[in-house]
Amino acid sequence: GAVVSQHPSWVICKSGTSVKIECRSLDFQATTMFWYRQFPKKSLMLMATSNEGSKATYEQGVEKDKFLINHASLTLSTLTVTSAHPEDSSFYICSAGLGAYEQYFGPGTRLTVT
Amino acid sequence: AQKITQTQPGMFVQEKEAVTLDCTYDTSDPSYGLFWYKQPSSGEMIFLIYQGSYDQQNATEGRYSLNFQKARKSANLVISASQLGDSAMYFCAMRGVKTGGFKTIFGAGTRLFVKA
Repeated sequence: GAVVSQHPSWVICKSGTSVKIECRSLDFQATTMFWYRQFPKKSLMLMATSNEGSKATYEQGVEKDKFLINHASLTLSTLTVTSAHPEDSSFYICSAGLGAYEQYFGPGTRLTVT
Repeated sequence: AQKITQTQPGMFVQEKEAVTLDCTYDTSDPSYGLFWYKQPSSGEMIFLIYQGSYDQQNATEGRYSLNFQKARKSANLVISASQLGDSAMYFCAMRGVKTGGFKTIFGAGTRLFVKA
C-alpha cells in the first residue's frame, strides 16, 4: 500500500516555542491531507483538512492561529503548533487521501510540551 | 451529521477463538465507506478492512470479516482465530463522499485483550 511518513516521530519542546511536524506521501501525490489529534486512550479527532494550494479547512473548535497548516506540494503538508503549551501535548497523526475512499495514515508524532 | 458508535470500551477473548467488535453508524450520505483500523501501542494506524455502502457482499480480509447490515446501520468486525498479537485498540471509521467531504470520522474505539 501507499506510504505516508511523519517527521519527527517524537518531539519535546519548551512552553512558548513553536513546533513543526511534517507529513509526506512517499509514493503518491495527495491533493488532500488530514491532521488528527489523539489524546491518551482516546479516539482520533480530526483537526483540519489540508488541500494543496489552498487554505486548510479547520474543524469547529480548532484554533487556526494555533495550529498552522501548510500544504505546499502534493506530497507535503506541515502542521505548526505555535506558542505551544503543556495542554498541546498529544499524539498528532496525519493521513493522505488517494481517491474517494483510500486514506493512508502516517506513523504519528508524539509531542510533549514541558 | 455523521456519527460512529462503538459501545464496547474493552473486550476479552481467548486465544484461537473468534470475537466480534461492534460498530454502528449514522449518516445521511447515500454513498459512504466503512473502515476498521487497528492501533497497537506503537500508535500507528493499521488498515484492516473496508466496506462500501453499495457493496452487496460482506468484506473479508484474511482473518478479518465485516458483518455489514445496512438497514441496521451496523458494521461489526469479526476476528477469527484470535492471536496474542491481535491485542490492540480497534477503531471503526466512516468516510462519506457527499456530506462528509471525504473526511474520515472515528468511533471511540474498543480495546481488545487476547488471553493465552
